[in-house]
Amino acid sequence: GESVGLHLPTLSVQEGDNSIINCAYSNSASDYFIWYKQESGKGPQFIIDIRSNMDKRQGKRVTVLLNKTVKHLSLQIAATQPGDSAVYFCADLGGSSNTGKLIFGQGTTLQVKP
Amino acid sequence: KAGVTQTPRYLIKTRGQQVTLSCSPISGHRSVSWYQQTPGQGLQFLFEYFSETQRNKGNFPGRFSGRQFSNSRSEMNVSTLELGDSALYLCASSPSGMGGTDTQYFGPGTRLTVL
Repeated sequence: GESVGLHLPTLSVQEGDNSIINCAYSNSASDYFIWYKQESGKGPQFIIDIRSNMDKRQGKRVTVLLNKTVKHLSLQIAATQPGDSAVYFCADLGGSSNTGKLIFGQGTTLQVKP
Repeated sequence: KAGVTQTPRYLIKTRGQQVTLSCSPISGHRSVSWYQQTPGQGLQFLFEYFSETQRNKGNFPGRFSGRQFSNSRSEMNVSTLELGDSALYLCASSPSGMGGTDTQYFGPGTRLTVL
């Protein structure tokens, strides 16, 4: 079946360092990917997305890289701050016929040490 | 624009009871998806509604149902509650829900505890 997985359940980084969170997906038909951040007691918050016709997309302090050959994507956070501490999920919206169904990875907890 | 709102935020029920959760999407969004989040299973898709019709459904028993109203607001219902239904129930809205095009925005969730 479909699955989306993350390589590490927990990532601990020093404040000011760059963070890289990885994710693998299995569905070759997947054409849209989203990264979410979830803080304790809150719903997932949209960070950045990328479509399959791109291999890189940049936002404010975040970059998402997509490698369709090995079905892998990563989220890079520059100059990580304490406010970045949260659980990060990659999600896959599948092919165009898969309406409204995001498939989530298990999440990586990012801990930022001051 | 106001974000996705969910009510109530917290619920405590006992086994065998039923519960109804409500979701108001972002204004103009017509697709509403529901997810269950638990520590063991993570985020799992329940179903998606668009124009008052269920278009997509996850692998949950028939005790889980939903509906959507003409103003795009949605409700989900869980009947005959079981202890394992304790979870955070999240609602997300998007303009059309179409795969490959739409970003989903989430509400804060309803925390359901079944005793």
